[in-house]
Amino acid sequence: AQTVTQSQPEMSVQEAETVTLSCTYDTSESNYYLFWYKQPPSRQMILVIRQEAYKQQNATENRFSVNFQKAAKSFSLKISDSQLGDTAMYFCAFMKPLRDDKIIFGKGTRLHILP
Amino acid sequence: ETGVTQTPRHLVMGMTNKKSLKCEQHLGHNAMYWYKQSAKKPLELMFVYNFKEQTENNSVPSRFSPECPNSSHLFLHLHTLQPEDSALYLCASSKIIGQEAYEQYFGPGTRLTVT
Repeated sequence: AQTVTQSQPEMSVQEAETVTLSCTYDTSESNYYLFWYKQPPSRQMILVIRQEAYKQQNATENRFSVNFQKAAKSFSLKISDSQLGDTAMYFCAFMKPLRDDKIIFGKGTRLHILP
Repeated sequence: ETGVTQTPRHLVMGMTNKKSLKCEQHLGHNAMYWYKQSAKKPLELMFVYNFKEQTENNSVPSRFSPECPNSSHLFLHLHTLQPEDSALYLCASSKIIGQEAYEQYFGPGTRLTVT
């Protein structure tokens, strides 16, 4: 069975700093997706970034980028030039791209951006 | 409206009431999901519908009854709930093509309080 581990329950950084959130996962699959979702205080779960396992190039979305290390089963999220609006719970998630399969979520990292 | 919408956003109900949560997706997706998010617990998948067919019932008590009349609408009918059912209920949708599934997009959630 697949597992997703986020080892940092909570983090705080100053506005404009760069922060990296850690995620490791365990799977025997070779083809899968990894995601980072953000859940701000408004509670809406928002897809931040997506990585396909077969792609060697790390995904980027504006200030958000990932460091995907397939052999190490590591998938960290880097937020550059952090903003107050980045304050949220961040969930790492794993999914096999199969019709009846589930997304496996980590327990989340609560990120506080301090003014 | 765009994305995934949920109504109501907040609901307070007594243990003997019957109410329904509604979810609508405007993304052209063909799979829909109900999740329960309680404080300090991981996101729990409750039900999955693929092409209007229920494919997952994750040992959810019968006081929760899902309904999916078409691929754009999903309901969760609630009856004789318990205080421990108080939680944020999130709806999500995704695209499925053949046997391949893609990332899920979430609605803003319904905050349910059972008194």
